[in-house]
Amino acid sequence: AQSVTQPDIHITVSEGASLELRCNYSYGATPYLFWYVQSPGQGLQLLLKYFSGDTLVQGIKGFEAEFKRSQSSFNLRKPSVHWSDAAEYFCAVGAGDTGRRALTFGSGTRLQVQP
Amino acid sequence: DAGVIQSPRHEVTEMGQEVTLRCKPISGHDYLFWYRQTMMRGLELLIYFNNNVPIDDSGMPEDRFSAKMPNASFSTLKIQPSEPRDSAVYFCASSLGTGAYQETQYFGPGTRLLVL
Repeated sequence: AQSVTQPDIHITVSEGASLELRCNYSYGATPYLFWYVQSPGQGLQLLLKYFSGDTLVQGIKGFEAEFKRSQSSFNLRKPSVHWSDAAEYFCAVGAGDTGRRALTFGSGTRLQVQP
Repeated sequence: DAGVIQSPRHEVTEMGQEVTLRCKPISGHDYLFWYRQTMMRGLELLIYFNNNVPIDDSGMPEDRFSAKMPNASFSTLKIQPSEPRDSAVYFCASSLGTGAYQETQYFGPGTRLLVL
């Protein structure tokens, strides 16, 4: 069965600083990887996804993520954080090639942005 | 185009009462998912449907939980009787069924349930 680990429960960065949120997955085959963001009291919004091809994927709001098979990682990055980026971020893996469509989520990383 | 719609957004009930959560998926989507979010367990799948048929209900906690999808535009998640440990945010999500291995899931705003 697949699993996702987000090692950082809580991260604080200053506005304008760069950001990297870590995500490690466990899955035997090629994973389908997602990053979602959840603002307080809101649902989950898709930031970006990786299915195949170029291992560096661009998403909305200036986010990008890089798939590294050798490290089983899919870290999320942003070069300059804005105060509005404060939220909780979830990495998720899908095992669609097994026929199972449900996603397995990490425990989330809460991002706080200091002025 | 409207996204996934869930109702109610908030529900407060007393232990032992029946609770019904509702979801309207995005039009044209073939897959519908119910997830639950708690502090202790994070986001976990409860059940999902394909073309109104339940495919995987292995995440449904126990017989107190039931889910139905009578047609392509409506699903319910029912808890009867409810217990305080059911307090959580319940999300509905939907995705296309293009035949690709995996499609993006679009989430509703969630229903925040509090069982007293």
